Formats: sequence, C-alpha cells, structure tokens
Amino acid sequence: GQNIDQPTEMTATEGAIVQINCTYQTSGFNGLFWYQQHAGEAPTFLSYNVLDGLEEKGRFSSFLSRSKGYSYLLLKELQMKDSASYLCAVSLRGNTDKLIFGTGTRLQVFP
Amino acid sequence: DGGITQSPKYLFRKEGQNVTLSCEQNLNHDAMYWYRQDPGQGLRLIYYSQIVNDFQKGDIAEGYSVSREKKESFPLTVTSAQKNPTAFYLCASSQGSWKETQYFGPGTRLLVL
Repeated sequence: GQNIDQPTEMTATEGAIVQINCTYQTSGFNGLFWYQQHAGEAPTFLSYNVLDGLEEKGRFSSFLSRSKGYSYLLLKELQMKDSASYLCAVSLRGNTDKLIFGTGTRLQVFP
Repeated sequence: DGGITQSPKYLFRKEGQNVTLSCEQNLNHDAMYWYRQDPGQGLRLIYYSQIVNDFQKGDIAEGYSVSREKKESFPLTVTSAQKNPTAFYLCASSQGSWKETQYFGPGTRLLVL
C-alpha cells in the first residue's frame, strides 16, 4: 500500500528554526509537494522536489532523499504567521497516477 | 486576478437532501479535483477530471457525483446516499498531469442539520 508519515504536532519559538519530517512508502514516485494550510483555509503551495537534494526559497527549504523515502521542510526565522498545518503530498507514478496526502503537521509558534 | 472560487463558504444539509458545491477556475487549467478533509486525516480524493466532459472516481466517490461540462467549472453534488457528509470540501485545479502543482480554492464547510 501507499503510506505517508508526518508528526502530528510540533511547537517552536519565534525566531527559531524548525524541521518537519515526512517519510513515505510508495510504489512509483514522481515527486513530493509541501503545502501550508492555515486553519479553515485552502492549502497553498510551498515547494515541489523531484530530485535528491535541498531546494531553498527564502525562509523555507525542502529536502528530498528518494532512496530513503524521506523529505523535510525547514523553516527559518520563524514568525507567528507560520503557525499552520504543513502537508506533505507524494505524486505517484503507476498504472494510475495520483497524488496522496499525509495527515499534516500542525505547527504552533510561540512568542 | 486568476484563481479558484468555491461557493458557498458554509452549507447546511438536511437529512435526505442533495446539495451542490460550486467550483470555478479562471486559470485555464485542464484538470480539476475534489477533495474531502476531515480532522486528523489527510486530504482524500473524491473525483477528478483531466479534460472537459470526462471525469474519474477517486478513492471515496460513493455518495457523490460531479459534472464537467465547461473547462472552468466542476460542481460537486453530495447526495443523500453520503451518510457522513460533514467535512471541509476543497476544490483544486492544475495544468494537467499529477506531476503538476495543484492550486486550491478556499473550501466549503458542509454541516448536517
């Protein structure tokens, strides 16, 4: 079967760095997405990793290791507005391509 | 501004009633999707459409129906056969393949009276 694991909740302090991990076991893999979702709102796109390595976009970076089935999202210089859920999603390649989502990690940033 | 709109923001359904959720996009995207989000669960795919006049069942299609008569529009009907409809419903669109980024609408929260 297809499986994605993320921690359910994390807390951090304003100005700090936090790393949100995502591990996956899937048959067929195109790439991995990270989305941010504030409570009651739509998910918004953060990053898409296809190849191994780190991709940086301002305060946010995303890392992928295809051989280990592992990704992380790194948030630097945390701000209160970063309090949200972070969704890991894997684009599958197979008889039927599809996108599957993890349950999300709820991050709370404290002053 | 290009984007995806969903209406209404909140919807109440009575027992035995069918209700329709609207989703419109002006991004000129070929593919559109409906997801359901429940607390503690990941987004689950209800239906998707990769081209006008064609759509496919997702993982939890029972009790739902869709149509795709126009590229811009992909309405979802929650029928009376869906016994647990209370959830947050998200519509998304993308250029086409599952490798493309999906962009989401603001969502509709459906509650049962």
